[in-house]
Amino acid sequence: KNEVEQSPQNLTAQEGEFITINCSYSVGISALHWLQQHPGGGIVSLFMLSSGKKKHGRLIATINIQEKHSSLHITASHPRDSAVYICAVSSYNTDKLIFGTGTRLQVFP
Amino acid sequence: NAGVTQTPKFRILKIGQSMTLQCTQDMNHNYMYWYRQDPGMGLKLIYYSVGAGITDKGEVPNGYNVSRSTTEDFPLRLELAAPSQTSVYFCASSSQFERTDTQYFGPGTRLTVL
Repeated sequence: KNEVEQSPQNLTAQEGEFITINCSYSVGISALHWLQQHPGGGIVSLFMLSSGKKKHGRLIATINIQEKHSSLHITASHPRDSAVYICAVSSYNTDKLIFGTGTRLQVFP
Repeated sequence: NAGVTQTPKFRILKIGQSMTLQCTQDMNHNYMYWYRQDPGMGLKLIYYSVGAGITDKGEVPNGYNVSRSTTEDFPLRLELAAPSQTSVYFCASSSQFERTDTQYFGPGTRLTVL
């Protein structure tokens, strides 16, 4: 079992829909990161959070430390949101980032 | 600022050949990292550096070497390429160690070993 699990693996949506991507982890962490990987391959950091909730534009990230779970929400989704969304955690034990395998999102017009 | 740049973008190697993947950042970041991304797998840390002259192994260092002679540059060397090293390689940098700060990624190098 991977230490960082994401669901779903693949997600399709119509433009305008509300999107939720989930991330569960099994290790003690100091922070959780959400990254976006564009179809061309480039990776951009979206959020880093250790508690509560962060919002940037139409993107919202939440984390529940007790339940070891985080969600990434996209409101009013748009085709340009189509990408792979990657969850990663900073582990206390190894002090390194542990990455999930990503959620591939496709938003259709 | 250009951020993190990587060269080349694509490369095909024959088994046993050597090559160096270049990585440069212009943000004066102390911390730099090399990852590989295999299809269907999460990113894996190969090597990292906390400053000029200091490097350390990550999760999958076998078959690779690095050096950090300047703050800006962090090249990754493959000495004897093997098919198992076919992957996409990403360089990243951050101002603090990865667990405490945002990482900035380069555009990646797609390497195929035949």
